[in-house]
Amino acid sequence: QQQVKQSPQSLIVQKGGIPIINCAYENTAFDYFPWYQQFPGKGPALLIAIRPDVSEKKEGRFTISFNKSAKQFSLHIMDSQPGDSATYFCAARGGQNFVFGPGTRLSVLP
Amino acid sequence: DTGVSQDPRHKITKRGQNVTFRCDPISEHNRLYWYRQTLGQGPEFLTYFQNEAQLEKSRLLSDRFSAERPKGSFSTLEIQRTEQGDSAMYLCASSLAGIYNEQFFGPGTRLTVL
Repeated sequence: QQQVKQSPQSLIVQKGGIPIINCAYENTAFDYFPWYQQFPGKGPALLIAIRPDVSEKKEGRFTISFNKSAKQFSLHIMDSQPGDSATYFCAARGGQNFVFGPGTRLSVLP
Repeated sequence: DTGVSQDPRHKITKRGQNVTFRCDPISEHNRLYWYRQTLGQGPEFLTYFQNEAQLEKSRLLSDRFSAERPKGSFSTLEIQRTEQGDSAMYLCASSLAGIYNEQFFGPGTRLTVL
C-alpha cells in the first residue's frame, strides 16, 4: 500500500513533443504529490507538486493532472527541450515522509 | 547558504569498514531527511529529524546504520561494518515543518563498498 507505481520506465520524444509520465498509488492517506527531476550525479530537484483536492496544476511548461477517484496522477511536459532530458520521479507523502516511484528516464532528441 | 550540501561526494571503502557522511541542510530548515537511492530506483526513506529529535526510522535502517543531528543543524549518517549491499547514493534533504514540507535535496554521497 505504500508503493507508488510509475510508467513508462523510459521515454524518448522529439524536441517539441509532449512526454507524459504516469503514476498510480493505493494508499488513500497520501496527501501531497510532488514531482522531482534528477540529472546524472545530482540530487532530485522539486519540479511541481499538487494536492489531492486539485485536478490540475500548471507551472511553466509542466502540468500535473490528478485523478483522485482513480488514484492516478501524471506529468505532462509541453514543448519539450533537449535540456529536459533527465530522470523524473513522482512521489507521494504519507505521514511525514515521502514514497517515490522508480523513475522515468526521459530523452528529448534535438 | 543556497542549498543542502553533503560531504563527501564520493566514498570508496572496503567491506567491513565504517563510514560517516555529513549533511548540512538549508539553514532555516528544521527537518532533515536521509534517503538511499540505488541505480535505476527512486529514493528510499531511511530516517528523519525534526530539530535534533529523530522522529522516524525505516525498516531499511539496520542496526549498522545510525544517524544523529546533535544541535539541530547538520546531521551525520554512519554505517558500521559496511557490506557490498550498502553501495548506493545516500541523499539528504531538508524542509520546513509545515503543511507540505517541500523537501530540497542535496547532491548526495555515492558510496562504493569493495
